[in-house]
Amino acid sequence: EIVLTQSPGTLSLSPGERATLSCRASQIVSSSYLAWYQQKPGQAPRLLFYGSSIRATGIPDRFSGSGSGTDFTLTISRLEPEDFAVYHCQQYGSSPYTFGQGTKLEIK
Amino acid sequence: QLQLQESGPGLVKPSETLSLTCTVSGGSISSSSFHWGWIRQPPGKGLEWVGSIYHSGATYYNPSLRSRVTISVDTAKNQLSLQLSSVTAADVSMYYCARAKIAYYGSGSGNWFDPWGQGILVTVSS
Repeated sequence: EIVLTQSPGTLSLSPGERATLSCRASQIVSSSYLAWYQQKPGQAPRLLFYGSSIRATGIPDRFSGSGSGTDFTLTISRLEPEDFAVYHCQQYGSSPYTFGQGTKLEIK
Repeated sequence: QLQLQESGPGLVKPSETLSLTCTVSGGSISSSSFHWGWIRQPPGKGLEWVGSIYHSGATYYNPSLRSRVTISVDTAKNQLSLQLSSVTAADVSMYYCARAKIAYYGSGSGNWFDPWGQGILVTVSS
């Protein structure tokens, strides 16, 4: 089973700043089969990216996904107030599909 | 627009079977382009894939739950269901249903999920 470790656990930033979230896998994630989700309190997760860098429908271009192998990154270029949430990564390159423990992005 | 809504008992007794339903609107659950999954999230913890069912009827389960899980589709009701037997306190979670998107590769396939239902909290207690 591939273990995904997200860092940092909590990231405190201000609106307008750049956010960089990391997701590291215990084994190579084949074909960059990695997804990112955003989850706000009391809401379901929302797909941001799949295939490491393919933006889901309706996701603003201030969000970008990158990475391959074991290291993946979600970047938010300029934080908007609505971007403060928990972000999860998920690998689907091998079963069982696994998720990271999440990174909480909070307002500083 | 596809929408999913989970329903079922919010409280299950230890050793009994958890049964949840996910009602799909905005599309036919039996459409060849639709596949489905269940994901859960214990309070304060990360997400865990429970299992998936493809349009073909093929099911795939997390090995950690395989002996206790059944996922099925009721096309007449446009519903997806989850049954988890012999529940314990470790099964306390928010349970989400979601549309599964498929990536096929040589050794099998993988799923990512979009969209998700709002989730239902299930507690295990006598």
